[in-house]
Amino acid sequence: EVQLVESGGGLVQPGGSLRLSCAASGFTFSSYAMHWVRQAPGKGLEYVSAISSNGGSTYYANSVKGRFTISRDNSKNTLYLQMGSLRAEDMAVYYCARTPIAVAPPDYWGQGTLVTVSS
Amino acid sequence: QSVLTQPPSASGTPGQRVTISCSGSSSNIGSNTVNWYQQLPGTAPKLLIYSNNQRPSGVPDRFSGSKSGTSASLAISGLQSEDEADYYCAAWDDSLNVLVFGGGTKLTVL
Repeated sequence: EVQLVESGGGLVQPGGSLRLSCAASGFTFSSYAMHWVRQAPGKGLEYVSAISSNGGSTYYANSVKGRFTISRDNSKNTLYLQMGSLRAEDMAVYYCARTPIAVAPPDYWGQGTLVTVSS
Repeated sequence: QSVLTQPPSASGTPGQRVTISCSGSSSNIGSNTVNWYQQLPGTAPKLLIYSNNQRPSGVPDRFSGSKSGTSASLAISGLQSEDEADYYCAAWDDSLNVLVFGGGTKLTVL
């Protein structure tokens, strides 16, 4: 069974940093690209970032480019999102999601982790 | 303002058929495949349709997808109360080089 479990969310002050993790199991992690997608309270889904299966290619939404960094450790079956210079508008539930290739919509999604940006 | 355009709401009575549209452009729906997701309240999105019209195992055949040109549609037949949820379309955009979503459609079963 495919499982994606996010962690690392929490309360952070504006301007602060946070690192999210996504532990994958039930499939060959190194064969799949991965996405981060977020959803602000009461709002729709918003793409954040994607990474290819070997980590060689990364993609970012303009809203997070230069502030967020996506990475992965295939030996640990784990996806990461390093978030910096956090703003109030970054507050959301962050989902990791699996995709066959980075330039395609995802299939399986994790349950999400909440990031709250507030002083 | 979402790149893909969906109606904000849709409704139907039990047993009816409803259709949700998703309008895009040549750089997204026009050149790439579309997925549809169902999001029940308080839960993560779940894949409903992939590659425009394919159903993952476990998804009832009441759900179907189609694509024509720069638009896609999700149809739900034999509407049931448990279908009440938010529905999203998604596709890769070759010009923006990002994944784009529709704004979501809230389906109400009357």
